[in-house]
Amino acid sequence: SQQGEEDPQALSIQEGENATMNCSYKTSINNLQWYRQNSGRGLVHLILIRSNEREKHSGRLRVTLDTSKKSSSLLITASRAADTASYFCATDQTGGFKTIFGAGTRLFVKA
Amino acid sequence: NAGVTQTPKFQVLKTGQSMTLQCAQDMNHEYMSWYRQDPGMGLRLIHYSVGAGITDQGEVPNGYNVSRSTTEDFPLRLLSAAPSQTSVYFCASSYVTTSGQGVYGYTFGSGTRLTVV
Repeated sequence: SQQGEEDPQALSIQEGENATMNCSYKTSINNLQWYRQNSGRGLVHLILIRSNEREKHSGRLRVTLDTSKKSSSLLITASRAADTASYFCATDQTGGFKTIFGAGTRLFVKA
Repeated sequence: NAGVTQTPKFQVLKTGQSMTLQCAQDMNHEYMSWYRQDPGMGLRLIHYSVGAGITDQGEVPNGYNVSRSTTEDFPLRLLSAAPSQTSVYFCASSYVTTSGQGVYGYTFGSGTRLTVV
């Protein structure tokens, strides 16, 4: 079974709107990462947040982590058509090196 | 350009054939791993390695072997291909932290599309 589960499975918004995706996981973690995958391509690393951090920013991306709820969210502000992609969260379990991916959220940004 | 190189990009195998998917990185990353991605799904971890001579199983290791004789290379061997192994295979690498906090963000290869008929 997968460690991380994203919600929603799919999201369609207008250009300029904000997009929020959520990730829940089951066990204690070292890190949580977010990746983007354009159709048919490899994954691109967006941001990594460690278990002792609560929030990180990178450009138009904002990631939060709530270890008490075992959940994370990825916010993309002022979305663009180029943000259309699948977004995955991935977690490293505490004490290990197995990085487990969720099934992803498909984001479609309409121009 | 620095990065993760996977070969081949496409492969068709007959059931029962064996083959090796190649993965090489030139960033001196300690950690390397193999994932498979089936249509509409996330990635599932097959095998991983935290350094030369060290490998371990992931979520779906059956039917696959790996070895890590050098830091740069991490080949994935399919022992006897089955239609259930039709998938896109991704190799990824990363530095390992010295603080016990796992890895940094991964660099992924562009993938190998494998079809088993």
